Formats: sequence, structure tokens, C-alpha cells
Amino acid sequence: AQSVSQHNHHVILSEAASLELGCNYSYGGTVNLFWYVQYPGQHLQLLLKYFSGDPLVKGIKGFEAEFIKSKFSFNLRKPSVQWSDTAEYFCAVSPPNDYKLSFGAGTTVTVRA
Amino acid sequence: DGGITQSPKYLFRKEGQNVTLSCEQNLNHDAMYWYRQDPGQGLRLIYYSQIVNDFQKGDIAEGYSVSREKKESFPLTVTSAQKNPTAFYLCASSSSGLYGYTFGSGTRLTVV
Repeated sequence: AQSVSQHNHHVILSEAASLELGCNYSYGGTVNLFWYVQYPGQHLQLLLKYFSGDPLVKGIKGFEAEFIKSKFSFNLRKPSVQWSDTAEYFCAVSPPNDYKLSFGAGTTVTVRA
Repeated sequence: DGGITQSPKYLFRKEGQNVTLSCEQNLNHDAMYWYRQDPGQGLRLIYYSQIVNDFQKGDIAEGYSVSREKKESFPLTVTSAQKNPTAFYLCASSSSGLYGYTFGSGTRLTVV
């Protein structure tokens, strides 16, 4: 099973600050990459995904992520966070044609008003 | 609306008892999954099924069992052999890896 590492366990920042969450994976081949978000009391939702093409991927709610193949990374960014971005964020990875996702441990993001 | 329904939302079990968590989807997805979510550990795969009447163990299958008799349903049984069953359990489904998963709202199991 491949490993997915999220470097920050808990991030606290103020509204309008920029956010970057790190994600690295240990898998040598071509992968599909995902970021999920879990708002308090809600389902896990897909933020964005990458499987080929432009390595800069835009998702919902102003989030984007950049795939850097040489660094085995898929970092999530948002230029200016809002209080409503308070949530837990999970990076996930799967090889092509494999339905299974491996998830990172998650990063809790707290945005202070 | 299409989606995944997990029931119950909260479940309490006495030590030594088996308990079954329900997961139903009306998305016509072929694949279904069970994950366990613990604080600081993310989601860990318990079992998955890519087709009816077939399923495979995930990373932490010990103490759990599943069945897939219908495309729509993938119940998970937490047996008395599971040493630390108190957790949040998430069911998911997918039509293919390219689109990611759709998740249910989860069942929080507490062993008392």
C-alpha cells in the first residue's frame, strides 16, 4: 500500500491569510490525486482531483493544487481563506485503474475571524 | 437525490457483541468501500468491493466482515474479535477511480 503524508496536523490562521497544505506520496508510477474536505458535521466532499494534463488544478471554493511529479507532491492552496474554510482536509492517492484510495492523516484548518 | 445512506448515525455496543452497520447507495456505482476514521490517522480501508458477490480485504480487515449480495448494499459487521472498535465508520462508492468517491455521512460506533 502506498503512503500518503500530510505534513501539518493542525493549521491556525486568520481570515484573508493564504493557505498551503502539503501532501506527499510514495508511489513510483502514475497516480490519480485528490483533495477532500470535511466541514464540521458534514460529509467528506471532493475539492479537486488530478489525473493528467495541466499540473495546476482548480477546484471548488477557490482552492487549487499543484502536482509536482519530481517531488511526489500535490499541495493544496488558497490565496485568501475565509472563516467558512474551517474544516479537515485530506489528501488521497490511487494508481490509475485502481478504485482504491489511500488517504493521508488529514490536516485540521482553523480560520479565525 | 442520488447518494449514500449510512445507518444508524450513532451506535452503542456492549463488549462481546457483533454489530452491523448499513450502507446503501442509489448511484449505480459498481465499487463500494468501508473506511475507519480515527483522530490523527486519517481514513483506513477496511474492506472494498468492486462487483456484486466479490469483496477484498483492505489494510485493517481483522475483526470485520462484509457482504455484497446486491449492487446497492454493502453492510459491515464489526465482530467481537475487533479489539478497538470504537471509531467513526465511513462508507463510500465510486464508478471509477477518475471521479473519486462519494461518501456517506458516517456511523459513530461506541463500545460500552
